[in-house]
Amino acid sequence: RKEVEQDPGPFNVPEGATVAFNCTYSNSASQSFFWYRQDCRKEPKLLMSVYSSGNEDGRFTAQLNRASQYISLLIRDSKLSDSATYLCVVNRGGFQKLVFGTGTRLLVSP
Amino acid sequence: EAGVTQFPSHSVIEKGQTVTLRCDPISGHDNLYWYRRVMGKEIKFLLHFVKESKQDESGMPNNRFLAERTGGTYSTLKVQPAELEDSGVYFCASSQDPTDGYTFGSGTRLTVV
Repeated sequence: RKEVEQDPGPFNVPEGATVAFNCTYSNSASQSFFWYRQDCRKEPKLLMSVYSSGNEDGRFTAQLNRASQYISLLIRDSKLSDSATYLCVVNRGGFQKLVFGTGTRLLVSP
Repeated sequence: EAGVTQFPSHSVIEKGQTVTLRCDPISGHDNLYWYRRVMGKEIKFLLHFVKESKQDESGMPNNRFLAERTGGTYSTLKVQPAELEDSGVYFCASSQDPTDGYTFGSGTRLTVV
Protein backbone atom coordinates (compact mmCIF):
# COMPACT_ATOMS: atom_id res chain seq x y z
CA ARG A 1 0.00 0.00 0.00
CA LYS A 2 1.30 3.46 -0.91
CA GLU A 3 1.88 5.91 1.91
CA VAL A 4 -0.15 8.59 0.09
CA GLU A 5 -3.04 7.43 -2.06
CA GLN A 6 -4.88 9.44 -4.68
CA ASP A 7 -7.37 8.63 -7.40
CA PRO A 8 -5.33 9.11 -10.60
CA GLY A 9 -8.35 10.27 -12.60
CA PRO A 10 -8.60 11.84 -15.06
CA PHE A 11 -11.43 14.02 -13.89
CA ASN A 12 -13.09 15.56 -16.94
CA VAL A 13 -15.24 18.57 -16.02
CA PRO A 14 -16.76 21.49 -17.92
CA GLU A 15 -15.75 25.07 -17.24
CA GLY A 16 -17.52 26.45 -14.21
CA ALA A 17 -17.93 23.10 -12.50
CA THR A 18 -16.93 22.31 -8.94
CA VAL A 19 -14.58 19.40 -8.51
CA ALA A 20 -13.21 17.71 -5.40
CA PHE A 21 -10.15 15.55 -4.92
CA ASN A 22 -9.45 13.34 -1.95
CA CYS A 23 -6.23 11.87 -0.69
CA THR A 24 -5.46 9.48 2.16
CA TYR A 25 -2.21 9.02 4.03
CA SER A 26 -1.11 6.09 6.14
CA ASN A 27 1.54 7.55 8.47
CA SER A 28 -0.24 9.00 11.48
CA ALA A 29 2.95 10.84 12.48
CA SER A 30 2.72 13.07 9.40
CA GLN A 31 2.77 16.71 10.35
CA SER A 32 2.50 18.96 7.31
CA PHE A 33 0.26 18.61 4.31
CA PHE A 34 0.23 20.27 0.93
CA TRP A 35 -1.39 20.33 -2.45
CA TYR A 36 0.99 20.88 -5.34
CA ARG A 37 0.05 21.47 -8.94
CA GLN A 38 2.11 20.03 -11.78
CA ASP A 39 1.63 20.97 -15.40
CA CYS A 40 2.76 18.59 -18.12
CA ARG A 41 6.57 18.25 -18.18
CA LYS A 42 6.96 21.00 -15.56
CA GLU A 43 8.01 21.06 -11.95
CA PRO A 44 5.56 20.75 -9.05
CA LYS A 45 4.41 24.11 -7.74
CA LEU A 46 2.97 24.67 -4.30
CA LEU A 47 -0.73 25.37 -4.55
CA MET A 48 -1.54 25.56 -0.87
CA SER A 49 -0.71 24.19 2.53
CA VAL A 50 -3.45 22.29 4.33
CA TYR A 51 -4.36 22.97 7.93
CA SER A 52 -6.66 21.20 10.37
CA SER A 53 -8.89 24.25 10.50
CA GLY A 54 -9.20 24.22 6.72
CA ASN A 55 -8.04 26.99 4.50
CA GLU A 56 -9.26 28.79 1.43
CA ASP A 57 -7.47 30.66 -1.32
CA GLY A 58 -9.83 32.14 -3.85
CA ARG A 59 -11.57 29.29 -5.66
CA PHE A 60 -9.54 26.65 -3.84
CA THR A 61 -10.41 25.14 -0.46
CA ALA A 62 -8.34 22.53 1.34
CA GLN A 63 -9.37 20.45 4.32
CA LEU A 64 -7.50 18.07 6.59
CA ASN A 65 -9.11 15.35 8.69
CA ARG A 66 -6.42 13.95 10.99
CA ALA A 67 -8.71 11.37 12.59
CA SER A 68 -9.51 9.80 9.22
CA GLN A 69 -6.12 10.68 7.74
CA TYR A 70 -7.46 12.26 4.61
CA ILE A 71 -6.98 15.53 2.81
CA SER A 72 -9.27 17.15 0.31
CA LEU A 73 -9.08 19.87 -2.31
CA LEU A 74 -12.14 21.61 -3.67
CA ILE A 75 -11.97 23.73 -6.81
CA ARG A 76 -14.96 25.95 -7.52
CA ASP A 77 -15.82 27.60 -10.84
CA SER A 78 -13.22 25.58 -12.76
CA LYS A 79 -11.20 27.39 -15.42
CA LEU A 80 -9.49 25.92 -18.46
CA SER A 81 -6.20 26.94 -16.86
CA ASP A 82 -6.91 24.63 -13.91
CA SER A 83 -6.17 21.64 -16.13
CA ALA A 84 -3.14 19.98 -14.53
CA THR A 85 -2.13 17.17 -12.21
CA TYR A 86 -2.78 17.82 -8.54
CA LEU A 87 -0.34 16.20 -6.15
CA CYS A 88 -1.20 15.39 -2.56
CA VAL A 89 1.98 15.74 -0.51
CA VAL A 90 2.72 14.86 3.09
CA ASN A 91 5.68 15.83 5.24
CA ARG A 92 6.77 13.26 7.78
CA GLY A 93 7.75 16.02 10.14
CA GLY A 94 10.95 15.13 11.94
CA PHE A 95 12.50 13.70 8.80
CA GLN A 96 11.44 16.70 6.75
CA LYS A 97 11.05 14.77 3.53
CA LEU A 98 7.99 15.00 1.37
CA VAL A 99 6.00 11.94 0.37
CA PHE A 100 4.06 12.38 -2.85
CA GLY A 101 0.93 10.79 -4.13
CA THR A 102 0.86 9.80 -7.77
CA GLY A 103 -1.36 12.78 -8.56
CA THR A 104 -4.88 13.32 -9.83
CA ARG A 105 -5.24 14.59 -13.36
CA LEU A 106 -7.86 17.28 -14.01
CA LEU A 107 -9.06 18.21 -17.49
CA VAL A 108 -11.35 21.23 -17.76
CA SER A 109 -13.11 21.55 -21.09
CA PRO A 110 -14.95 24.52 -22.69
CA GLU B 1 14.22 36.53 -6.43
CA ALA B 2 15.76 33.83 -8.60
CA GLY B 3 14.17 30.41 -8.25
CA VAL B 4 15.79 27.00 -8.00
CA THR B 5 17.93 26.44 -11.07
CA GLN B 6 18.86 23.07 -12.47
CA PHE B 7 21.32 22.18 -15.19
CA PRO B 8 21.16 20.56 -17.67
CA SER B 9 17.47 20.49 -18.49
CA HIS B 10 17.92 17.33 -20.55
CA SER B 11 20.65 14.70 -20.74
CA VAL B 12 20.86 11.61 -22.91
CA ILE B 13 23.72 9.26 -22.09
CA GLU B 14 24.66 5.71 -22.79
CA LYS B 15 24.53 2.99 -20.20
CA GLY B 16 27.79 2.91 -18.29
CA GLN B 17 28.56 6.59 -18.73
CA THR B 18 28.70 9.21 -15.99
CA VAL B 19 26.38 12.17 -15.64
CA THR B 20 26.48 15.06 -13.18
CA LEU B 21 23.40 17.12 -12.44
CA ARG B 22 23.63 20.52 -10.81
CA CYS B 23 21.22 22.44 -8.64
CA ASP B 24 21.44 26.04 -7.49
CA PRO B 25 18.95 26.62 -4.67
CA ILE B 26 17.28 29.88 -3.79
CA SER B 27 19.86 32.09 -2.11
CA GLY B 28 19.77 31.74 1.66
CA HIS B 29 17.89 28.44 1.69
CA ASP B 30 19.74 26.06 3.99
CA ASN B 31 17.63 23.05 3.03
CA LEU B 32 18.25 21.42 -0.34
CA TYR B 33 16.56 18.26 -1.54
CA TRP B 34 16.84 15.92 -4.47
CA TYR B 35 13.79 14.02 -5.72
CA ARG B 36 13.25 11.77 -8.71
CA ARG B 37 10.26 10.76 -10.83
CA VAL B 38 10.59 7.57 -12.77
CA MET B 39 8.06 7.18 -15.59
CA GLY B 40 4.68 6.07 -14.33
CA LYS B 41 5.63 6.40 -10.68
CA GLU B 42 5.24 9.05 -8.01
CA ILE B 43 7.94 11.56 -7.18
CA LYS B 44 10.29 10.03 -4.61
CA PHE B 45 12.75 11.51 -2.15
CA LEU B 46 16.47 10.91 -2.69
CA LEU B 47 18.27 13.02 -0.11
CA HIS B 48 18.29 16.17 2.00
CA PHE B 49 21.10 18.60 2.75
CA VAL B 50 21.14 21.13 5.54
CA LYS B 51 23.80 23.56 4.44
CA GLU B 52 26.71 21.31 3.44
CA SER B 53 25.71 18.34 5.61
CA LYS B 54 23.68 15.34 4.47
CA GLN B 55 20.72 15.25 6.81
CA ASP B 56 19.02 12.24 5.25
CA GLU B 57 20.14 10.14 2.30
CA SER B 58 17.80 7.23 2.89
CA GLY B 59 16.25 7.58 -0.57
CA MET B 60 19.44 7.16 -2.56
CA PRO B 61 18.95 4.03 -4.67
CA ASN B 62 22.49 2.64 -4.45
CA ASN B 63 26.14 3.61 -4.33
CA ARG B 64 26.17 4.63 -7.98
CA PHE B 65 24.60 7.89 -6.84
CA LEU B 66 26.75 10.51 -5.14
CA ALA B 67 25.49 13.89 -3.99
CA GLU B 68 27.59 16.77 -2.76
CA ARG B 69 26.98 20.30 -1.57
CA THR B 70 30.36 21.84 -1.02
CA GLY B 71 30.23 25.15 0.80
CA GLY B 72 26.52 24.80 1.41
CA THR B 73 25.53 26.54 -1.81
CA TYR B 74 24.92 24.60 -5.01
CA SER B 75 24.66 20.81 -5.11
CA THR B 76 25.65 18.15 -7.60
CA LEU B 77 24.24 14.68 -8.08
CA LYS B 78 26.49 12.29 -9.94
CA VAL B 79 25.40 8.96 -11.37
CA GLN B 80 28.29 6.63 -12.17
CA PRO B 81 27.93 4.33 -14.01
CA ALA B 82 24.44 5.07 -15.27
CA GLU B 83 21.98 2.23 -15.79
CA LEU B 84 18.79 2.12 -17.86
CA GLU B 85 16.59 2.26 -14.74
CA ASP B 86 18.13 5.59 -13.75
CA SER B 87 16.12 7.32 -16.48
CA GLY B 88 13.62 9.81 -15.13
CA VAL B 89 13.22 13.40 -14.09
CA TYR B 90 15.45 14.59 -11.27
CA PHE B 91 14.06 17.50 -9.31
CA CYS B 92 15.91 19.68 -6.88
CA ALA B 93 14.05 21.72 -4.27
CA SER B 94 15.02 24.16 -1.57
CA SER B 95 13.38 25.70 1.45
CA GLN B 96 14.17 27.84 4.43
CA ASP B 97 11.33 26.49 6.56
CA PRO B 98 10.23 23.03 5.38
CA THR B 99 6.87 23.39 7.09
CA ASP B 100 6.04 26.07 4.53
CA GLY B 101 6.64 23.77 1.58
CA TYR B 102 9.44 23.70 -0.93
CA THR B 103 10.28 25.44 -4.19
CA PHE B 104 11.18 23.02 -6.94
CA GLY B 105 13.49 23.53 -9.87
CA SER B 106 12.31 22.69 -13.37
CA GLY B 107 14.11 19.36 -13.27
CA THR B 108 16.67 17.47 -15.32
CA ARG B 109 15.22 14.87 -17.66
CA LEU B 110 17.76 12.04 -17.78
CA THR B 111 17.54 9.36 -20.43
CA VAL B 112 19.93 6.42 -20.29
CA VAL B 113 20.07 4.42 -23.52
